[in-house]
Amino acid sequence: ETGVTQTPRHLVMGMTNKKSLKCEQHLGHNAMYWYKQSAKKPLELMFVYNFKEQTENNSVPSRFSPECPNSSHLFLHLHTLQPEDSALYLCASSQGGQPQHFGDGTRLSIL
Amino acid sequence: GENVEQHPSTLSVQEGDSAVIKCTYSDSASNYFPWYKQELGKGPQLIIDIRSNVGEKKDQRIAVTLNKTAKHFSLHITETQPEDSAVYFCAAETSYSSASKIIFGSGTRLSIRP
Repeated sequence: ETGVTQTPRHLVMGMTNKKSLKCEQHLGHNAMYWYKQSAKKPLELMFVYNFKEQTENNSVPSRFSPECPNSSHLFLHLHTLQPEDSALYLCASSQGGQPQHFGDGTRLSIL
Repeated sequence: GENVEQHPSTLSVQEGDSAVIKCTYSDSASNYFPWYKQELGKGPQLIIDIRSNVGEKKDQRIAVTLNKTAKHFSLHITETQPEDSAVYFCAAETSYSSASKIIFGSGTRLSIRP
């Protein structure tokens, strides 16, 4: 039980599809994050939300659209993705400078 | 931009021996240094951390050292066991009052030989 739950765990989609990734944290944290993890590359921070407000967009292409309706839920809406977007997408949460807690990720494959 | 370098990228040690993973960081404002362990099919899990006002921290078989002057920090695992096999990430984090900015190293794949 990680406290941060991501769904789905696996997703296969075509380049023209629209799908969404979901993250839910049960830890009472105020900050939530999306990361991209590709093979043999460091974790790449994509977006940061703090108290539902986006505080960082790390030059992410517009085909990735985040949404944070409340402090417990975070979505990543996907459309018109490219093959190089295939990766593990990790969600994390934190509170007041404390360690980030990660979910187990969504493995995304773009056909 | 700011970065964290991690070495080695792969490490194989005999069960019972020690393993050492080293990282360097560039942002002098970094004040918190967590280490994460990622097992297959799982997300990274925090295993130990150290703050900038401390030089060394130990938790059973795991220890971390920090040299702020040189901007180096290291993870030491003693008496390694098969369950220590995983990918380990170091990170350098700058904490603010409400959120944090963290940069990860590229990871070390640790294999423990029986």
